[in-house]
Amino acid sequence: GAGVSQTPSNKVTEKGKYVELRCDPISGHTALYWYRQSLGQGPEFLIYFQGTGAADDSGLPNDRFFAVRPEGSVSTLKIQRTERGDSAVYLCASSPRAGDSNEQFFGPGTRLTVL
Amino acid sequence: DAKTTQPPSMDCAEGRAANLPCNHSTISGNEYVYWYRQIHSQGPQYIIHGLKNNETNEMASLIITEDRKSSTLILPHATLRDTAVYYCIVRVAPNIFSSGSARQLTFGSGTQLTVLP
Repeated sequence: GAGVSQTPSNKVTEKGKYVELRCDPISGHTALYWYRQSLGQGPEFLIYFQGTGAADDSGLPNDRFFAVRPEGSVSTLKIQRTERGDSAVYLCASSPRAGDSNEQFFGPGTRLTVL
Repeated sequence: DAKTTQPPSMDCAEGRAANLPCNHSTISGNEYVYWYRQIHSQGPQYIIHGLKNNETNEMASLIITEDRKSSTLILPHATLRDTAVYYCIVRVAPNIFSSGSARQLTFGSGTQLTVLP
């Protein structure tokens, strides 16, 4: 079946611009996560959704970052006034159930480059 | 403070067993050991997890020491496609009452495994 998909696969933007990154989770998965991975590092947690609500956004680095999941399926990560330090691979993951899923299914990521 | 310690890199000959170590000396009684791997340009992939008993699935085996302070992921017959970064993660198994912080995965730097032909 279809896995987690993310679009675009690559995004190049200029400093100060606004970007949106999209995540399509596996159909029926209620939990959705965003992570950010800098070069040579492991992924870092950003935000977790349970259904439509952000259950934990403690990993968002500052208020330039925002994410939504209005219908409990597709999610969009939004970055305002991008900075060069925002350059990274942004990963999305989903889990099948609300409570006890041990496995997170990851998408291929969006590589964001801020010039 | 890092919860796990892994060697930064390892090599393994194709067809041989790959044994990837992980130290987690401060693991709590209710924390599990999870392993994920990340092949180049892909997202991480779940491999296996365990609490205290050894576990085996179609991908790998997980051996956890009796004191639970360390573990070893074993790929019994490594192939070139197993070349990846392997992450050992210590985490409380989530349940329906878990907070968001209990559900997230906290990755370290992992071990770059290179399977050599």
